[in-house]
Amino acid sequence: QVQLQESGPGLVKPSETLSLTCTVSGGSISSYYWSWIRQPPGKGLEWIGYIYYTGSTNYNPSLKSRLTISVDTSKNQFSLKLSSVTAADTAVYYCGTVTKGYWGQGTLVTVSS
Amino acid sequence: QSVLTQPPSASGTPGQRVTISCSGSSSNIGSNDVYWYQQVPGMAPKLLMYRNNQRPSGVPDRFSGSESGTSASLAISGLRSEDEADYYCAAWDDSMSGFWVFGGGTKVTVL
Repeated sequence: QVQLQESGPGLVKPSETLSLTCTVSGGSISSYYWSWIRQPPGKGLEWIGYIYYTGSTNYNPSLKSRLTISVDTSKNQFSLKLSSVTAADTAVYYCGTVTKGYWGQGTLVTVSS
Repeated sequence: QSVLTQPPSASGTPGQRVTISCSGSSSNIGSNDVYWYQQVPGMAPKLLMYRNNQRPSGVPDRFSGSESGTSASLAISGLRSEDEADYYCAAWDDSMSGFWVFGGGTKVTVL
């Protein structure tokens, strides 16, 4: 059974860069397209972007200018970097696969000084 | 505002049938498969339906999905108290370089 675990700081200051890592276990990272999805408190789901093990990426147009997603196949991990964050970026961040339903438990990232 | 449109709420009594709609366009539902997720408060979303009407292992057959044109729907028959949750539809959108879009979510209440 594929399992995912998000990790990273829970508090980021405005204008700084939000960084998260997702570790995939129970399966190979070369199997699927791996996405980041977020959910602001009390609101709906927003797809951030995905990466394939080859390094090929696709980003949400609304976040593209601030976003970098990378993969480390040797560690079965992929990562998210979102720059110039504001309070609007406060959300629970999930990593997973939209089509297969493999999701992490999510991690709350708060943007505040 | 979400690209896919869902009603904010739906409700029913135990045993009833509830249907949730998801409206999109030719660039998403009209040309790609629809996925449905169930989310209980405080938990990660759980895949309920894939490729419009396919249930993952373990999902009861009380749940069914359909798609027609640029709309999709999720039906819950024999409503149970444990079905009270938020439900989201999702589809790939072919516009620009392509991206996933979600509906705004529907809160299902079991009365």
